[in-house]
Amino acid sequence: QSALTQPASVSGSPGQSITISCTGTSSDVGGYNYVSWYQQHPGKAPKLMIYDVSNRPSGVSNRFSGSKSGNTASLTISGLQAEDEADYYCSSYTSSSTQVFGGGTKLTVL
Amino acid sequence: EVQLVETGGGLIQPGGSLRLSCAASGFTVSSNYMSWVRQAPGKGLEWVSVIYSGGSTYYADSVKGRFTISRDNSKNTLYLQMNSLRAEDTAVYYCARRGFYGSGHYFDYWGQGTLVTVSS
Repeated sequence: QSALTQPASVSGSPGQSITISCTGTSSDVGGYNYVSWYQQHPGKAPKLMIYDVSNRPSGVSNRFSGSKSGNTASLTISGLQAEDEADYYCSSYTSSSTQVFGGGTKLTVL
Repeated sequence: EVQLVETGGGLIQPGGSLRLSCAASGFTVSSNYMSWVRQAPGKGLEWVSVIYSGGSTYYADSVKGRFTISRDNSKNTLYLQMNSLRAEDTAVYYCARRGFYGSGHYFDYWGQGTLVTVSS
């Protein structure tokens, strides 16, 4: 049950695009199209941003998009806005019928 | 409206026990699979346990044998019984509901969390 690998931090200027990667194994990210992404602001509960690799829940801006290639999933945020500054976590279903999270990525909007 | 409200957190000595509750409204706990996810202070999210609608349960290696997930269908409430608590169990504990669309292998609703502090 090793955590998925994410970069500790990424940054970008308002209006730019950034991508956060999430690397797992064939037993989780690579084995299923069941990757989800969560946004968490300080002191708040996580919020679902992407599910099943690339699907956006109702109410989530279309500036957020997800993709996957092999054992690596990615979250792209386009047109960065100040309110996007937060921690982002990926998660995947696993072959053990469990879930695993990434270590989290702190997004700084410069 | 879907709501999840966790209670039961607090300060507990190492080796002690605590039971967390997650009262659900707006949906039926027994018809969904529900998980507990925790977050140590200043750290990332860690999946803890799941109970599927059929009753199957699974645990993270870090809590296996010490924690037990369960539910009371009559109270529409999820529980986490935590025994043999250690300092490294200190965290905010969230309950979360499986997603409604697609695979369902994600969490679309989260509670506000309850803080468990294990310290002497």
